[in-house]
Amino acid sequence: SQTIHQWPATLVQPVGSPLSLECTVEGTSNPNLYWYRQAAGRGLQLLFYSVGIGQISSEVPQNLSASRPQDRQFILSSKKLLLSDSGFYLCAWSSGAPRQFFGPGTRLTVL
Amino acid sequence: SQQGEEDPQALSIQEGENATMNCSYKTSINNLQWYRQNSGRGLVHLILIRSNEREKHSGRLRVTLDTSKKSSSLLITASRAADTASYFCATDPETSGSRLTFGEGTQLTVNP
Repeated sequence: SQTIHQWPATLVQPVGSPLSLECTVEGTSNPNLYWYRQAAGRGLQLLFYSVGIGQISSEVPQNLSASRPQDRQFILSSKKLLLSDSGFYLCAWSSGAPRQFFGPGTRLTVL
Repeated sequence: SQQGEEDPQALSIQEGENATMNCSYKTSINNLQWYRQNSGRGLVHLILIRSNEREKHSGRLRVTLDTSKKSSSLLITASRAADTASYFCATDPETSGSRLTFGEGTQLTVNP
């Protein structure tokens, strides 16, 4: 069966520090991968999606970047965090079918 | 304007009652999905309804879709305290290329 992992689960970082969040998927090949951000009490905002290794599409201009160094690995990064980067970050995968499968999320607090 | 807007924003009911949540959207879609999120957790897929379908059932869930009104509803029958969660609709627009657009969600509280 397929599983999706995210780490860390929680993170507290100072403004201006770098960020690296990792997402890995097991049990499937060539998944579509997605990074979302969710503000408290709000819906999900799509940040990046990838249909293959090295193929990244950005949905909104921002302080973040994404990379896909391996088929089932998706990384969200920032060189310098802003206060506005705080939120709940969710990784998801799909097989190309409409349904998406979500990871447990990372709670990021920027102080 | 945002695709996939739910109402109400919050709903509080007693166990055993039915809960109805609505979703409106703006563009033509391939399908519409409903997801559930427990507090601080990832989303879990509940049900998908395609644009050529009008109603779908899964256990205690009933989803309707009216493409002429660009709206959908999710009905949870005989609610339980364990149904307490946030519920999101997500649309798969025809031009999206497998990217979903999520609404702001309805926070459902089922009181025991």
